[in-house]
Amino acid sequence: GENVEQHPSTLSVQEGDSAVIKCTYSDSASNYFPWYKQELGKRPQLIIDIRSNVGEKKDQRIAVTLNKTAKHFSLHITETQPEDSAVYFCAAIWNNQGGKLIFGQGTELSVKP
Amino acid sequence: GAGVSQSPSNKVTEKGKDVELRCDPISGHTALYWYRQSLGQGLEFLIYFQGNSAPDKSGLPSDRFSAERTGGSVSTLTIQRTQQEDSAVYLCASSLATAWPPDYGYTFGSGTRLTVV
Repeated sequence: GENVEQHPSTLSVQEGDSAVIKCTYSDSASNYFPWYKQELGKRPQLIIDIRSNVGEKKDQRIAVTLNKTAKHFSLHITETQPEDSAVYFCAAIWNNQGGKLIFGQGTELSVKP
Repeated sequence: GAGVSQSPSNKVTEKGKDVELRCDPISGHTALYWYRQSLGQGLEFLIYFQGNSAPDKSGLPSDRFSAERTGGSVSTLTIQRTQQEDSAVYLCASSLATAWPPDYGYTFGSGTRLTVV
């Protein structure tokens, strides 16, 4: 069935350290994997996405890697800052139809100054 | 409009009453999605629209939930005979899913916080 597993559920790091969040998905046909950041009381916002024709994508301090064989993808945040504190959601497109995304359960990241 | 607009932002209703939640997507976005987020939880898919049709309604929790979209724009999510377990934030998103190459990047609205008392 439709499923995206996300780990860990909470993550606490010191400012300046790196943070890694991992997700696995069930639909082998999925070809689009976005990551969303949701600050407390606000809407989720897209921060980076990757398509299955690439294995890695970077945007300043954030990067996403994709392993299609293993059906998992990861978010890497380097040089973390307190403003990175939020809940992060991974997602995978389901059946490549119409853009329906299945979301992971979220990771609450806390960056301590 | 410039973003996805949802109304009302907050709704408190008595158990058993019907509620309507509205979503106004970004102009030109043909795909529209409804998700539900319970307190501290992830995003649960409810339904999506391509234009005015709903190819996938599989996430609607029960027949008390329905949604429609008219004119390829505004969508309304209706919950009949509300129950306390319906309390959640209902998020709407839109995207250019039918563009080529497809742009599945959702833009979310701010949500409607529904409280059933």
